[in-house]
Amino acid sequence: GENVEQHPSTLSVQEGDSAVIKCTYSDSASNYFPWYKQELGKRPQLIIDIRSNVGEKKDQRIAVTLNKTAKHFSLHITETQPEDSAVYFCAATRGSNYQLIWGAGTKLIIKP
Amino acid sequence: NAGVTQTPKFQVLKTGQSMTLQCAQDMNHEYMSWYRQDPGMGLRLIHYSVGAGITDQGEVPNGYNVSRSTTEDFPLRLLSAAPSQTSVYFCASRPRLSGGRYEQYFGPGTRLTVT
Repeated sequence: GENVEQHPSTLSVQEGDSAVIKCTYSDSASNYFPWYKQELGKRPQLIIDIRSNVGEKKDQRIAVTLNKTAKHFSLHITETQPEDSAVYFCAATRGSNYQLIWGAGTKLIIKP
Repeated sequence: NAGVTQTPKFQVLKTGQSMTLQCAQDMNHEYMSWYRQDPGMGLRLIHYSVGAGITDQGEVPNGYNVSRSTTEDFPLRLLSAAPSQTSVYFCASRPRLSGGRYEQYFGPGTRLTVT
């Protein structure tokens, strides 16, 4: 069935460096790709999203790129800060009701 | 505007017991969903609803029932709790028409332990 694969499962970077998380999806009909951030013990919250008719979107230090041909999309965080430490989830839409299929998550650790 | 609310926050059940997790939203969203979150497995869809009176199964529906009698409420019922249902449960909602963006708004979650 449709699935979303996310890599890496854990990413440790030095404060100030960049972090990149990658996802691949299998359903060619997927047309919306959000990224959520979940801090420990909290609910997931949307940080950025991209629609299938756009190749890149940027919001301050975060950006998302989409390659529809290869069916993969990536989250880029520049100038990482301690508050970026969290678990990040990617997702892709599935079906006529646009339900989300989720990646397994990436734990991002920012080292001081 | 409280957004999406869930009760209880924590619950411990014995195997075989039943219970209902409550979810409510005050944003007049048509779509509501229930997910479970297990370590290393992301969010898995249990059931969802596209409007009052309409529900459908997600990826992992076995052992759970839902109903949607009003736009605001979407309770999740565990019929006979099993240790495999130990998880964190999130309810989420979104508007039906959203200009091609399908952002989901999550509740705070319910942490369920089945012994």
